[in-house]
Formats: sequence, structure tokens, C-alpha cells
Amino acid sequence: QKEVEQNSGPLSVPEGAIASLNCTYSDRVSQSFFWYRQYSGKSPELIMSIYSNGDKEDGRFTAQLNKASQYVSLLIRDSQPSDSATYLCAVNLASNYQLIWGAGTKLIIKP
Amino acid sequence: GAVVSQHPSWVICKSGTSVKIECRSLDFQATTMFWYRQFPKQSLMLMATSNEGSKATYEQGVEKDKFLINHASLTLSTLTVTSAHPEDSSFYICSARLLEYEQFFGPGTRLTVL
Repeated sequence: QKEVEQNSGPLSVPEGAIASLNCTYSDRVSQSFFWYRQYSGKSPELIMSIYSNGDKEDGRFTAQLNKASQYVSLLIRDSQPSDSATYLCAVNLASNYQLIWGAGTKLIIKP
Repeated sequence: GAVVSQHPSWVICKSGTSVKIECRSLDFQATTMFWYRQFPKQSLMLMATSNEGSKATYEQGVEKDKFLINHASLTLSTLTVTSAHPEDSSFYICSARLLEYEQFFGPGTRLTVL
């Protein structure tokens, strides 16, 4: 059973601080990793994709991938109340085009 | 780019009726689309993978005769919930695959069965 694990939270972070979200996965052959943001009552929105070990930065977001440790993380700098949402980690399933989804981490940014 | 639409955004129907939900990729062609269901405060649950021009692949436990999927073109997939019952009330979300594994989601359809 291929799995993606996330801490369900809620993770509470003060406004302006760095929010750190973590995800581990079980399938060693996975090559594609994604972070989605889902606001309450809305559908998920792709915010970051990462395919190689190391860091990938996009604005206030940085994704970090360590394939040896089977670990992917998302850092949000200068957190804003509008960042409050559930963040979903997704990993490709090598045998087809499906993604395996984590249960999501609820992030709360406190003003 | 990578815009996916869904229609309707919400629907209320009587028990026993059928409901059709459309999913369209507006600015790209999608050979693969996915249908998910999400209950309140729960994670996404993949229902089926829809491939253009072929039969959909359903996940274990999803009744293919109840949830009919058609992917007749590279920009349109439909999900029909047949003989809907109150337990089918949920948030149905489609996604379309753009490159390799990237999925872009439609806004979702909230179904309420009375």
C-alpha cells in the first residue's frame, strides 16, 4: 500500500513567521511531488511542484525534496492570514498517472 | 493557463433522479481526467480515472453502474450519478492532467440529494 503521510494539524503560526509543512511518502520510485492548497469549501489549487532533490523557490513558497529520506516539505515565508488553508501533499504513482494524496495539514495563520 | 471548469457548481435533486456533472479543460487538451469525491472535513477520495476514448477505470468500492463516466473528447468528461440517494450527497471535484502528473482541478460541484 503506497502512502503519503502528513500531520493533520492544525498548525498555528503567527503572521509574518515561517510556516513549515512536512510530508513523507512510501514509494521509493516516485519522481513527482506536488503541494496543493485547499481553502474550506473550495477545490485544491496547485501551488508547487518539485521533481529533483533540493529546494525550489516560487515567491514566498519553497518546496524541499529529499528522495533518500522520502521526505518533501513546503515552507511559507512571511505567512499571511490568507495562507490559512489545508495543504495537501501529493506524490505520483509510478504505474499510472494517478496521484497519491496525503490527508492534508490544516494551517492557521494568526494575526 | 490550465483552467478547468465544472458545471453545475451546485445541484439539489430528489432521491432516485440522475444528475450529470460536466468537467471541461478550457485552454488545454486533457487525455486523462480524474473524478474525486470529498465529504466534509475529509480527504480527497479518487473515484475514477477517465481516459479520452476509452472506458473509465474505477477505484475499488466505486460502483461503475451508479457513477457513469464519459470522456468523449479531449476537453470534456462527464460524471452522471444515477438514481441518486442522500448518501451520495457530497462535493464532487474533477481534475485534468496537463503535463506528466500535474493535475488541475475544477471548482467542484456540491450535490445535495433530498
